[in-house]
Amino acid sequence: DADVTQTPRNRITKTGKRIMLECSQTKGHDRMYWYRQDPGLGLRLIYYSFDVKDINKGEISDGYSVSRQAQAKFSLSLESAIPNQTALYFCATSDTSAYYGYTFGSGTRLTVV
Amino acid sequence: SQQGEEDPQALSIQEGENATMNCSYKTSINNLQWYRQNSGRGLVHLILIRSNEREKHSGRLRVTLDTSKKSSSLLITASRAADTASYFCATDAIGGGANSKLTFGKGITLSVRP
Repeated sequence: DADVTQTPRNRITKTGKRIMLECSQTKGHDRMYWYRQDPGLGLRLIYYSFDVKDINKGEISDGYSVSRQAQAKFSLSLESAIPNQTALYFCATSDTSAYYGYTFGSGTRLTVV
Repeated sequence: SQQGEEDPQALSIQEGENATMNCSYKTSINNLQWYRQNSGRGLVHLILIRSNEREKHSGRLRVTLDTSKKSSSLLITASRAADTASYFCATDAIGGGANSKLTFGKGITLSVRP
């Protein structure tokens, strides 16, 4: 099994729908992150959490919310999806030092029509 | 906002040649990291260099860091077709303290021709 698992892998949804992307990890890491990737824009941080009781906004949090249900689980919700939220979404984890870098999931490709 | 900017945006080389990719950043950092992404897949951590280090090696990878110029380079020696991927630099900026987190650049697309 992958260290960081994202579900679903692909999703097509309609404008205005609420959708949840899920992330679970077996790394035992405290820190978890949600990034989105758009062509030509690289990765941009949406939300991050340094432990179960900690939630922080990233640079592009508008239109998104998150929930850290447990140390191993961090979900991202789009409350009312819009077409410009079509992107590749990545969950990542790290330990407190982050010395060994982030571990990324395989991504969720979301299309909002 | 992107902290790191990679250069060039795209690089095409012949198998066996060396590939050099550069990253410049704006603010002082704790460390700089390089990641690799195969098409449409998750990023994989390659190497981390701390602000007090100037050079680091890992297999065919060599990373340098010049904090006075706020720049880093990633050298892949004796490239292989399997090195074809996108490469990203990511910086951990000073000032984040316990809340430090990575900021990624836009990436470099490397194509290695067989």
